[in-house]
Amino acid sequence: QVQLVESGGGLVKPGGSLRLSCAASGFTFTDYYMSWIRQAPGKGLEWISYISSSGYNIYYADSVKGRFTISRDNAKNSVFLQMNSLRAEDTAVYYCVRRPCSGAGCHLDYWGQGTLVTVSS
Amino acid sequence: AIQMTQSPSSLSASVGDRVTITCRASQGITNDLGWYQQKAGKAPKLLIYAASSLESGVPSRFSGSGSGTDFTLTIRSLQPEDSATYYCAQDYNYPLTFGGGTKVEIK
Repeated sequence: QVQLVESGGGLVKPGGSLRLSCAASGFTFTDYYMSWIRQAPGKGLEWISYISSSGYNIYYADSVKGRFTISRDNAKNSVFLQMNSLRAEDTAVYYCVRRPCSGAGCHLDYWGQGTLVTVSS
Repeated sequence: AIQMTQSPSSLSASVGDRVTITCRASQGITNDLGWYQQKAGKAPKLLIYAASSLESGVPSRFSGSGSGTDFTLTIRSLQPEDSATYYCAQDYNYPLTFGGGTKVEIK
Protein backbone atom coordinates (compact mmCIF):
# COMPACT_ATOMS: atom_id res chain seq x y z
CA GLN A 1 0.00 0.00 0.00
CA VAL A 2 1.06 3.59 -0.56
CA GLN A 3 3.00 5.06 2.35
CA LEU A 4 4.54 8.47 2.81
CA VAL A 5 6.55 8.95 5.98
CA GLU A 6 7.87 12.39 6.86
CA SER A 7 10.72 13.07 9.25
CA GLY A 8 13.01 15.89 10.26
CA GLY A 9 10.62 18.23 12.02
CA GLY A 10 11.38 19.84 15.35
CA LEU A 11 12.06 23.06 17.20
CA VAL A 12 14.32 25.60 15.54
CA LYS A 13 15.18 29.23 16.28
CA PRO A 14 14.18 32.04 13.94
CA GLY A 15 16.72 32.31 11.15
CA GLY A 16 17.65 28.66 11.49
CA SER A 17 17.43 25.79 9.04
CA LEU A 18 15.79 22.40 8.92
CA ARG A 19 15.62 19.63 6.34
CA LEU A 20 12.48 17.55 6.02
CA SER A 21 12.51 14.12 4.40
CA CYS A 22 9.71 12.01 3.03
CA ALA A 23 10.20 8.30 2.37
CA ALA A 24 7.78 6.87 -0.18
CA SER A 25 6.83 3.25 -0.68
CA GLY A 26 4.15 1.09 -2.25
CA PHE A 27 4.13 2.76 -5.67
CA THR A 28 6.39 3.62 -8.60
CA PHE A 29 7.90 6.80 -7.23
CA THR A 30 9.27 7.99 -10.56
CA ASP A 31 5.76 8.17 -12.04
CA TYR A 32 4.58 10.96 -9.75
CA TYR A 33 4.93 14.62 -8.96
CA MET A 34 5.39 15.15 -5.22
CA SER A 35 4.30 18.10 -3.16
CA TRP A 36 4.75 19.68 0.27
CA ILE A 37 1.73 21.25 1.94
CA ARG A 38 1.64 22.80 5.39
CA GLN A 39 -0.92 23.66 8.02
CA ALA A 40 -0.28 26.22 10.73
CA PRO A 41 -1.84 25.40 14.12
CA GLY A 42 -5.60 25.86 13.95
CA LYS A 43 -5.43 27.13 10.36
CA GLY A 44 -6.17 25.88 6.86
CA LEU A 45 -4.01 24.16 4.29
CA GLU A 46 -1.28 25.98 2.36
CA TRP A 47 0.52 24.57 -0.67
CA ILE A 48 4.28 25.11 -0.45
CA SER A 49 5.98 23.42 -3.36
CA TYR A 50 5.89 20.64 -5.87
CA ILE A 51 8.46 18.82 -7.96
CA SER A 52 7.97 16.88 -11.17
CA SER A 53 8.72 13.19 -11.48
CA SER A 54 12.10 13.89 -13.08
CA GLY A 55 12.92 16.75 -10.73
CA TYR A 56 13.31 19.23 -13.56
CA ASN A 57 10.09 21.20 -12.95
CA ILE A 58 9.80 22.85 -9.56
CA TYR A 59 7.36 25.43 -8.23
CA TYR A 60 7.16 27.33 -4.95
CA ALA A 61 4.62 29.44 -3.13
CA ASP A 62 5.64 33.08 -2.90
CA SER A 63 5.72 32.77 0.90
CA VAL A 64 8.72 30.41 0.77
CA LYS A 65 10.41 31.25 -2.53
CA GLY A 66 14.12 31.89 -2.05
CA ARG A 67 14.13 30.27 1.40
CA PHE A 68 12.91 26.70 0.79
CA THR A 69 14.27 24.17 -1.70
CA ILE A 70 12.49 21.01 -2.77
CA SER A 71 14.43 18.07 -4.20
CA ARG A 72 14.03 14.35 -4.74
CA ASP A 73 16.20 11.26 -4.93
CA ASN A 74 14.46 8.79 -7.23
CA ALA A 75 16.99 6.08 -6.40
CA LYS A 76 15.94 6.29 -2.75
CA ASN A 77 12.23 7.00 -3.30
CA SER A 78 12.53 10.16 -1.26
CA VAL A 79 11.60 13.81 -1.47
CA PHE A 80 13.12 16.57 0.64
CA LEU A 81 12.39 20.10 1.75
CA GLN A 82 15.36 22.23 2.79
CA MET A 83 14.08 25.15 4.84
CA ASN A 84 16.37 28.11 5.50
CA SER A 85 15.87 31.50 7.13
CA LEU A 86 12.96 30.12 9.09
CA ARG A 87 10.40 32.50 10.57
CA ALA A 88 7.78 32.15 13.27
CA GLU A 89 5.10 32.07 10.59
CA ASP A 90 6.64 28.89 9.15
CA THR A 91 5.47 27.03 12.25
CA ALA A 92 3.18 24.31 10.94
CA VAL A 93 2.64 20.65 10.31
CA TYR A 94 4.29 19.81 6.99
CA TYR A 95 2.72 17.11 4.84
CA CYS A 96 4.34 15.19 2.02
CA VAL A 97 1.73 14.52 -0.67
CA ARG A 98 1.60 12.50 -3.86
CA ARG A 99 0.26 14.37 -6.89
CA PRO A 100 -0.93 12.18 -9.76
CA CYS A 101 -1.53 13.90 -13.09
CA SER A 102 -3.45 12.52 -16.04
CA GLY A 103 -5.76 13.67 -18.80
CA ALA A 104 -8.28 14.36 -16.03
CA GLY A 105 -5.89 16.85 -14.43
CA CYS A 106 -3.90 16.65 -11.22
CA HIS A 107 -4.89 16.16 -7.61
CA LEU A 108 -3.43 15.17 -4.24
CA ASP A 109 -4.25 11.57 -3.50
CA TYR A 110 -2.03 10.32 -0.68
CA TRP A 111 -0.83 12.34 2.31
CA GLY A 112 1.80 11.49 4.89
CA GLN A 113 1.03 11.78 8.58
CA GLY A 114 2.85 15.12 8.79
CA THR A 115 5.83 16.42 10.72
CA LEU A 116 5.65 19.42 13.04
CA VAL A 117 8.04 22.32 12.58
CA THR A 118 8.12 24.89 15.36
CA VAL A 119 10.07 28.11 14.89
CA SER A 120 10.56 29.84 18.19
CA SER A 121 13.30 31.42 20.27
CA ALA B 1 -3.36 33.41 -7.70
CA ILE B 2 -6.79 31.86 -8.00
CA GLN B 3 -8.84 32.40 -4.85
CA MET B 4 -11.12 29.63 -3.61
CA THR B 5 -14.07 30.73 -1.49
CA GLN B 6 -15.87 28.07 0.49
CA SER B 7 -19.21 28.37 2.21
CA PRO B 8 -20.41 27.97 4.81
CA SER B 9 -17.40 28.09 7.11
CA SER B 10 -19.20 25.78 9.50
CA LEU B 11 -22.46 23.91 9.79
CA SER B 12 -24.27 21.65 12.19
CA ALA B 13 -26.54 18.90 10.89
CA SER B 14 -28.23 15.74 12.08
CA VAL B 15 -27.45 12.17 11.15
CA GLY B 16 -29.25 11.36 7.91
CA ASP B 17 -29.36 14.97 6.70
CA ARG B 18 -28.26 16.01 3.25
CA VAL B 19 -25.35 18.44 3.48
CA THR B 20 -24.08 20.74 0.75
CA ILE B 21 -20.82 22.68 0.75
CA THR B 22 -19.97 25.12 -2.02
CA CYS B 23 -16.68 26.33 -3.41
CA ARG B 24 -16.27 29.24 -5.81
CA ALA B 25 -13.15 29.97 -7.82
CA SER B 26 -12.14 33.54 -8.66
CA GLN B 27 -11.65 32.48 -12.27
CA GLY B 28 -12.56 29.46 -14.38
CA ILE B 29 -10.71 26.26 -13.49
CA THR B 30 -12.57 23.84 -15.80
CA ASN B 31 -13.02 20.79 -13.54
CA ASP B 32 -9.59 20.83 -11.86
CA LEU B 33 -10.98 20.71 -8.35
CA GLY B 34 -10.61 18.29 -5.48
CA TRP B 35 -12.40 17.88 -2.18
CA TYR B 36 -10.56 16.77 0.94
CA GLN B 37 -11.76 15.65 4.35
CA GLN B 38 -9.67 16.27 7.45
CA LYS B 39 -10.58 14.77 10.79
CA ALA B 40 -9.18 16.24 13.97
CA GLY B 41 -5.48 15.53 14.38
CA LYS B 42 -5.25 13.62 11.11
CA ALA B 43 -3.92 14.25 7.63
CA PRO B 44 -6.37 15.28 4.93
CA LYS B 45 -7.92 12.57 2.78
CA LEU B 46 -8.97 12.86 -0.85
CA LEU B 47 -12.70 12.39 -1.41
CA ILE B 48 -13.39 13.75 -4.90
CA TYR B 49 -11.09 14.66 -7.80
CA ALA B 50 -11.75 16.26 -11.18
CA ALA B 51 -14.80 17.90 -9.55
CA SER B 52 -17.01 14.80 -9.65
CA SER B 53 -14.89 11.62 -9.62
CA LEU B 54 -15.19 9.62 -6.42
CA GLU B 55 -11.85 8.45 -5.05
CA SER B 56 -11.57 4.70 -4.62
CA GLY B 57 -12.81 3.54 -1.22
CA VAL B 58 -14.79 6.69 -0.46
CA PRO B 59 -18.44 6.01 0.46
CA SER B 60 -20.92 6.72 -2.30
CA ARG B 61 -22.86 9.16 -0.10
CA PHE B 62 -20.19 11.69 -1.07
CA SER B 63 -20.56 13.35 -4.47
CA GLY B 64 -19.18 16.37 -6.25
CA SER B 65 -20.44 18.52 -9.07
CA GLY B 66 -19.66 21.70 -10.92
CA SER B 67 -17.41 23.14 -13.56
CA GLY B 68 -15.86 26.50 -14.33
CA THR B 69 -16.15 28.58 -11.16
CA ASP B 70 -18.86 26.96 -9.03
CA PHE B 71 -18.56 23.60 -7.34
CA THR B 72 -20.49 21.59 -4.77
CA LEU B 73 -19.71 18.77 -2.38
CA THR B 74 -22.79 16.87 -1.24
CA ILE B 75 -23.05 14.35 1.57
CA ARG B 76 -26.29 12.51 0.82
CA SER B 77 -27.00 11.08 4.27
CA LEU B 78 -24.74 12.45 6.97
CA GLN B 79 -23.10 9.88 9.25
CA PRO B 80 -21.42 10.39 12.64
CA GLU B 81 -18.02 9.61 11.12
CA ASP B 82 -18.42 12.51 8.67
CA SER B 83 -17.66 15.01 11.42
CA ALA B 84 -14.62 16.78 9.96
CA THR B 85 -13.37 19.85 8.15
CA TYR B 86 -13.74 19.80 4.38
CA TYR B 87 -11.51 21.68 1.95
CA CYS B 88 -11.71 22.30 -1.75
CA ALA B 89 -8.53 22.89 -3.78
CA GLN B 90 -7.88 23.93 -7.35
CA ASP B 91 -5.03 22.38 -9.30
CA TYR B 92 -5.78 24.20 -12.54
CA ASN B 93 -2.71 26.33 -12.35
CA TYR B 94 0.16 27.31 -10.12
CA PRO B 95 -0.03 28.10 -7.27
CA LEU B 96 -2.36 25.40 -6.06
CA THR B 97 -4.87 27.04 -3.69
CA PHE B 98 -7.26 25.78 -1.05
CA GLY B 99 -10.58 27.04 0.19
CA GLY B 100 -10.79 28.17 3.80
CA GLY B 101 -12.52 25.00 4.95
CA THR B 102 -15.97 24.01 6.17
CA LYS B 103 -16.28 22.46 9.60
CA VAL B 104 -19.12 19.94 9.74
CA GLU B 105 -20.50 19.12 13.15
CA ILE B 106 -23.05 16.46 14.01
CA LYS B 107 -25.99 17.64 16.13
